[in-house]
Amino acid sequence: GQQLNQSPQSMFIQEGEDVSMNCTSSSIFNTWLWYKQDPGEGPVLLIALYKAGELTSNGRLTAQFGITRKDSFLNISASIPSDVGIYFCAGQPSGTASKLTFGTGTRLQVTL
Amino acid sequence: GAVVSQHPSWVICKSGTSVKIECRSLDFQATTMFWYRQFPKQSLMLMATSNEGSKATYEQGVEKDKFLINHASLTLSTLTVTSAHPEDSSFYICSVGSGRSDSAQYFGPGTRLTVL
Repeated sequence: GQQLNQSPQSMFIQEGEDVSMNCTSSSIFNTWLWYKQDPGEGPVLLIALYKAGELTSNGRLTAQFGITRKDSFLNISASIPSDVGIYFCAGQPSGTASKLTFGTGTRLQVTL
Repeated sequence: GAVVSQHPSWVICKSGTSVKIECRSLDFQATTMFWYRQFPKQSLMLMATSNEGSKATYEQGVEKDKFLINHASLTLSTLTVTSAHPEDSSFYICSVGSGRSDSAQYFGPGTRLTVL
């Protein structure tokens, strides 16, 4: 099945640094979602974006829905050790009720 | 958001046997539930969409006779892996959504299936 291109694939950062990751698609999406998955667990919803251009924050996390509807980014400010995990973007294609297409994931590791 | 549970959290079975995985929406009546499969170090791949009171819709390449889905109530969907083989070993995760085109999905904790 289709997957979204997500970058970077992995990153090592130091505690306190800011992190940025993005997701791109060749097709348009109605909704962009960002999830975090810890090992052996299901993904947890971080931020949901429903309008092109929308910028939404959730604590230290900020995400934006690209104007073209084909991309989104997630920023994490002042990273802490518990930010470690895999971050997935997911998009809902236009005209397809609720069906999600997932990104390839960004593995984040935070060092002290 | 919705609270979703799965049972069991892990299961080991012999090749050729069938395994049933339950997905429950604890605080939300879900007309639609989704089943995903995730192999190690990979992303989630949608297997099928489970619709309450009707047949599930399977993604291309997913065998409907091997992965039986039943969505008998607004709070329970089950996935049965029939005649399991080692290549079916994976992490199976369900999610719930409202069915609207602009609805986020909320995921269960997943079920680790190991087929010997």
